[in-house]
Amino acid sequence: GNSVTQMEGPVTLSEEAFLTINCTYTATGYPSLFWYVQYPGEGLQLLLKATKADDKGSNKGFEATYRKETTSFHLEKGSVQVSDSAVYFCALSDPSSGGSYIPTFGRGTSLIVHP
Amino acid sequence: DAGVTQSPTHLIKTRGQQVTLRCSPISGHKSVSWYQQVLGQGPQFIFQYYEKEERGRGNFPDRFSARQFPNYSSELNVNALLLGDSALYLCASSSEDRGWGTQYFGPGTRLLVL
Repeated sequence: GNSVTQMEGPVTLSEEAFLTINCTYTATGYPSLFWYVQYPGEGLQLLLKATKADDKGSNKGFEATYRKETTSFHLEKGSVQVSDSAVYFCALSDPSSGGSYIPTFGRGTSLIVHP
Repeated sequence: DAGVTQSPTHLIKTRGQQVTLRCSPISGHKSVSWYQQVLGQGPQFIFQYYEKEERGRGNFPDRFSARQFPNYSSELNVNALLLGDSALYLCASSSEDRGWGTQYFGPGTRLLVL
């Protein structure tokens, strides 16, 4: 079956530091890959996505590249801000799963950014 | 356009009771999915509906049921509530033009079972 593995948190950084959150996946087909962000007390928001190998998704300074050879989709940001403190979820959606496009989520990685 | 809306925002029930949660998708989105999120975990898939038909079901007991209406809104019902049903229940909608796998989430309904 499909699965997503994220690095355990919390990740604690100082403002303006470089961020990497690792994500690897297993899938039976050719999935689309996603990063979602959840701020305290809210639902998940789509941060970025990539639909095929070597695609780079980007948004709000965050980037992730779909690496089929290493089955990875690591999230990066060059300079984090306090406002980036949140929980980040890696996810995949595999249309090979009976055509139903049901996403599989990782457990989430909490990011804490200090001033 | 308004985002996905859910009601109520919070709910307190006792064991054995029944609960109904409601969701309105983004205008034009025909697919709705339901997730359960326990504190410290990722969302766990419960149901997905498209054009009023169930398109997928997660590993949840039959106490959980859902339906989708002609206007694409949806309800999630949980019968015979257990303490372990306490969680954030998230609804998400999707559309063909943005990719069916791209989920747009509502703010959730926080359910506490006492």
